[in-house]
Amino acid sequence: DTEVTQTPKHLVMGMTNKKSLKCEQHMGHRAMYWYKQKAKKPPELMFVYSYEKLSINESVPSRFSPECPNSSLLNLHLHALQPEDSALYLCASSQGMGGTTEAFFGQGTRLTVV
Amino acid sequence: SQKIEQNSEALNIQEGKTATLTCNYTNYSPAYLQWYRQDPGRGPVFLLLIRENEKEKRKERLKVTFDTTLKQSLFHITASQPADSATYLCALVTPGGSYIPTFGRGTSLIVHP
Repeated sequence: DTEVTQTPKHLVMGMTNKKSLKCEQHMGHRAMYWYKQKAKKPPELMFVYSYEKLSINESVPSRFSPECPNSSLLNLHLHALQPEDSALYLCASSQGMGGTTEAFFGQGTRLTVV
Repeated sequence: SQKIEQNSEALNIQEGKTATLTCNYTNYSPAYLQWYRQDPGRGPVFLLLIRENEKEKRKERLKVTFDTTLKQSLFHITASQPADSATYLCALVTPGGSYIPTFGRGTSLIVHP
């Protein structure tokens, strides 16, 4: 199984809603990532977890709250988002932290904030 | 400032020709460089990784070169097919950034039958 599964595929939420994005991998990877990608732009790193601990937070606003319940799961909790937060949210995993091995990406969650 | 530059204009080529995509960078000293393919609305898919001490890497119809003097990587697809149409992203991996890849914006490749 070389898949990273993200749910939901699409999400529309209001600015006062609370929602969560989920990501799962069963490759035994110990590093997991959240990226945000706007149209025609590169993926931008948000968070990195290594061995279930938050290693990198790229100064992401607190309305985004990551969680790593175990080595296979990664969540991104969303609260009080703004319309400009609408984007494709990508989860990725790799064997170890960093780019010395390939990263496997999920299909993404297309988020629309209304 | 640090920059990763990939041609923002789409590359249009005929089926069977070789596609060559360019990734230039400034103010980086990458230890590795990766290439990914991304289809619309989907996550990137890893294609190749090349190390700073490697000049060239091949995988099937794909070839990547890495010139640290020119600060440039070239990505070639030989005998291109319409199914190769996608956006191709390069990503730099530098030791100073905890080895986390930093992505360029990608170049769209369109292969015409």
